[in-house]
Amino acid sequence: DVKVTQSSRYLVKRTGEKVFLECVQDMDHENMFWYRQDPGLGLRLIYFSYDVKMKEKGDIPEGYSVSREKKERFSLILESASTNQTSMYLCASNRDQGATEAFFGQGTRLTVV
Amino acid sequence: ILNVEQSPQSLHVQEGDSTNFTCSFPSSNFYALHWYRWETAKSPEALFVMTLNGDEKKKGRISATLNTKEGYSYLYIKGSQPEDSATYLCASLNQAGTALIFGKGTTLSVSS
Repeated sequence: DVKVTQSSRYLVKRTGEKVFLECVQDMDHENMFWYRQDPGLGLRLIYFSYDVKMKEKGDIPEGYSVSREKKERFSLILESASTNQTSMYLCASNRDQGATEAFFGQGTRLTVV
Repeated sequence: ILNVEQSPQSLHVQEGDSTNFTCSFPSSNFYALHWYRWETAKSPEALFVMTLNGDEKKKGRISATLNTKEGYSYLYIKGSQPEDSATYLCASLNQAGTALIFGKGTTLSVSS
């Protein structure tokens, strides 16, 4: 059974904290993605990576960075968490860029207080 | 930013009704169009990946069509059931062909 696993389902962090969201996939996929989902705004792409140590900005990268040191792991970093980063974060992966389906993690609901 | 639009935003139907949703996307530099179903408390799951103009795909009571020349795709559900209640997302690739850009989704509610 293929899997994308996110490290936490729920997180509560304080404003100004550095926050790490971890995502691991066991399908040997080249591509990994981080999205955030907000009511009325849908899934918005934050960052993606198509290879180890490679990263590309998505539509809303401000306030975030990413790390991909190993093929199976893609980390999203909130350098200094702010309340407007309270959201549901979804990690996804796929092979062959757009030609194959993406598999999603279960999501991390982050609250910044 | 690539603009993927879905309509309607939400829909409420009775069990047994058939329904359809629309996804529109830029027709230039088209690579692929994806449909996903996202049920509450679960992860989005792929329904279809379509790449060719005129593609039609079917999975049980759900089917989809693709028109890449005019930039739209339809998702059809025949004889809706309460278990079809979910948010249906479509996604197209960005202009570089490297990442999926999603529409805001259509939320379907089916009453028994």
